Amino acid sequence: DGGITQSPKYLFRKEGQNVTLSCEQNLNHDAMYWYRQDPGQGLRLIYYSQIVNDFQKGDIAEGYSVSREKKESFPLTVTSAQKNPTAFYLCASSTPREGSYEQYFGPGTRLTVT
Amino acid sequence: AQSVTQPDIHITVSEGASLELRCNYSYGATPYLFWYVQSPGQGLQLLLKYFSGDTLVQGIKGFEAEFKRSQSSFNLRKPSVHWSDAAEYFCAVGALSSNDYKLSFGAGTTVTVRA
Repeated sequence: DGGITQSPKYLFRKEGQNVTLSCEQNLNHDAMYWYRQDPGQGLRLIYYSQIVNDFQKGDIAEGYSVSREKKESFPLTVTSAQKNPTAFYLCASSTPREGSYEQYFGPGTRLTVT
Repeated sequence: AQSVTQPDIHITVSEGASLELRCNYSYGATPYLFWYVQSPGQGLQLLLKYFSGDTLVQGIKGFEAEFKRSQSSFNLRKPSVHWSDAAEYFCAVGALSSNDYKLSFGAGTTVTVRA
């Protein structure tokens, strides 16, 4: 079945450590996105990539980094510079170049930093 | 830049009653509009979308939404709510510019269904 996988579902880290969240898709989508979700704030865009080897900052990119070396993969690193990293992280993909503008979402990773 | 407002943070509805969730958007051009649903601890599932054409769109799970350009609204409706409809609902607007495409989401509306 085609879809987006995110791993792990729950992640715990100590303050000061970098952590990388995985996102893989087998939908052959060009574009991939990372969102952060906090209660009462909806989804906020962290980074997005329209094509391999290229990505852009979203609205809240500070303290995060990404790479897009393969079409299928768009990992997100939460660095120690992120002041409040505990949140629910969602990855999504779409194919806007083909006129399909909806985004498909993975199941999410809940990160807890103590 | 585009933006979305969902005026209702929380709505409680009786099972079998009708449901309407409000969404207002701000965008200079013709918007791409979406409604998503999220169960606790899960990802988002697309309920329906509007790109152009008929302003009343049908979605999955018996939901429909109506695009009203004059009111900049895209309200979601369901005639008869089931207990399984308890979830959080997000309205989103998409903007395409210079081959760059992003969605902006509202803050969400939590729906509680009482027996």
